[in-house]
Amino acid sequence: SAVISQKPSRDICQRGTSLTIQCQVDSQVTMMFWYRQQPGQSLTLIATANQGSEATYESGFVIDKFPISRPNLTFSTLTVSNMSPEDSSIYLCSVGGDTEAFFGQGTRLTVV
Amino acid sequence: GNSVTQMEGPVTLSEEAFLTINCTYTATGYPSLFWYVQYPGEGLQLLLKATKADDKGSNKGFEATYRKETTSFHLEKGSVQVSDSAVYFCALNLGAGGYQKVTFGTGTKLQVIP
Repeated sequence: SAVISQKPSRDICQRGTSLTIQCQVDSQVTMMFWYRQQPGQSLTLIATANQGSEATYESGFVIDKFPISRPNLTFSTLTVSNMSPEDSSIYLCSVGGDTEAFFGQGTRLTVV
Repeated sequence: GNSVTQMEGPVTLSEEAFLTINCTYTATGYPSLFWYVQYPGEGLQLLLKATKADDKGSNKGFEATYRKETTSFHLEKGSVQVSDSAVYFCALNLGAGGYQKVTFGTGTKLQVIP
């Protein structure tokens, strides 16, 4: 199994600002995944982050809005840029095990 | 593409009632199937999983059987408790090893009343 730590656990931000979310894993992993869970909704994959290459974004998500860094095999960041109230969500980091995915506790973001 | 369809909620049950949450899937290939649970104010936890047809996943009194012929993975529990109140997500994954890109259903909120 993998233990994933996310920071911050929650934040309230002003519209137009940016927030960077950190994800730390207790073991080296090739791929890390970022998901968004909008209020009352399911989880949607934002992007896949490989170390040493640019992240791969899913349809509807763009790098300018959600830049991702992956400087090493245990760490990644997701930035939510130029925030609007519609960005209020829980953002989750995930890594893969042999047969299942593991998730961080999530970052609960509220944009006011 | 891949998709998961699960029973809409909310579902409200009395304590000790029988629970079924339906889940069906569409996938190219042979996915692994999962149920995740999200307790109020907490993160996502894996409840149970099944990696091939006819496998039964079980945990904490919950069970689900991977039915390839009906492309289903229904969640059941014989006697629910108030502490089972949570949102339950059915999910699938076609990856292997570290490539675990998960497709989730919409989630079903379960409320168990004493």
